[in-house]
Amino acid sequence: KAGVTQTPRYLIKTRGQQVTLSCSPISGHRSVSWYQQTPGQGLQFLFEYFSETQRNKGNFPGRFSGRQFSNSRSEMNVSTLELGDSALYLCASSETTAEQFFGPGTRLTVL
Amino acid sequence: GENVEQHPSTLSVQEGDSAVIKCTYSDSASNYFPWYKQELGKRPQLIIDIRSNVGEKKDQRIAVTLNKTAKHFSLHITETQPEDSAVYFCALRNQGGKLIFGQGTELSVKP
Repeated sequence: KAGVTQTPRYLIKTRGQQVTLSCSPISGHRSVSWYQQTPGQGLQFLFEYFSETQRNKGNFPGRFSGRQFSNSRSEMNVSTLELGDSALYLCASSETTAEQFFGPGTRLTVL
Repeated sequence: GENVEQHPSTLSVQEGDSAVIKCTYSDSASNYFPWYKQELGKRPQLIIDIRSNVGEKKDQRIAVTLNKTAKHFSLHITETQPEDSAVYFCALRNQGGKLIFGQGTELSVKP
């Protein structure tokens, strides 16, 4: 099976803009989770989607949102970008509530 | 709370020595404890996991121990090799289903 894929891999935006990141899970996986990884904060949970429904949500402001489509592909959106949003955004898919498989990440730089 | 405390943040060992990383948690309902390895510039990958009904699990040079009473779990790597150098993250799945990560330990194995 193909692994988790994320697009784009790199992104440069300016403050105030918005961005949409995409994640395609492993075939058959219905759960997709999103994480923000920064050097100072480690891996921070953003949200989890399962069968097109948000199942869990982390402690991020409302500027961060996501959705999942019927084919389990997921997108996350960040509006009104701030400098502090610069990070590696990782998605992970899982078949059950156990092992999560990570994608390569999208490196977002906000100038 | 949802915190997972991971120590140490950096660890340097000589090739062939053992390395131990410890994580403590507060949510007694946590039932799944994975460990991830992230090499520089790569995605986190699961190396071993343990469920709450097991006290210890071993896979070749890697072992994980869980003490539910004391609420801590540890990763043990024996006979370390330079290719073990990476950042290691502990994690747990809490009662709400979220996967919460520790801050990471940067392990350096010197030849």
